[in-house]
Amino acid sequence: AQSVAQPEDQVNVAEGNPLTVKCTYSVSGNPYLFWYVQYPNRGLQFLLKYITGDNLVKGSYGFEAEFNKSQTSFHLKKPSALVSDSALYFCAVRAGGDDKIIFGKGTRLHILP
Amino acid sequence: NAGVTQTPKFQVLKTGQSMTLQCAQDMNHEYMSWYRQDPGMGLRLIHYSVGAGITDQGEVPNGYNVSRSTTEDFPLRLLSAAPSQTSVYFCASSYGAVGPDTQYFGPGTRLTVL
Repeated sequence: AQSVAQPEDQVNVAEGNPLTVKCTYSVSGNPYLFWYVQYPNRGLQFLLKYITGDNLVKGSYGFEAEFNKSQTSFHLKKPSALVSDSALYFCAVRAGGDDKIIFGKGTRLHILP
Repeated sequence: NAGVTQTPKFQVLKTGQSMTLQCAQDMNHEYMSWYRQDPGMGLRLIHYSVGAGITDQGEVPNGYNVSRSTTEDFPLRLLSAAPSQTSVYFCASSYGAVGPDTQYFGPGTRLTVL
């Protein structure tokens, strides 16, 4: 069975600094990995995904994520944080050959002005 | 396109009552899923479907039923509501050549069970 861990409940970053939101996963076989964002009182929006190919994936709003197979990680990154990036971020995984997409518990990102 | 729609937006039930949360999508997506979101628990998969007539259980299926008679609709039924089912429910749909890919989420239904 697949699982996702987001080890930090909350991450605080000063505006303009780089940010990282961590995600590790466990699946049998090749993983399909996703990041979603939820702004206050809103639904979830897709940010980026890794299916195959380059380990560095670029997505919406200047975010990127790096797939690391040896560390089973898919950390979300942005070079320069904006106050508007403050939101709840979810990592999700699907095992190849499976049809279930499982989400992590989420990490709340606070960007401090 | 309306995308993924959910009704109602808010609902209050008494313990033991039943109800159906509606979900519809107009993107002709094969895959549809129901999640519940609870503080500190993230999103947990309740049931999912890979096409009309085919459904399967997710991580937390107890107390919920689903059916998928058409590609567009995927209703979630609470048979006998319990306070533990107080949550925000999200429906999602997705496409994919070899399984679900990017998911599109509805706006959610906030359910309170008294």
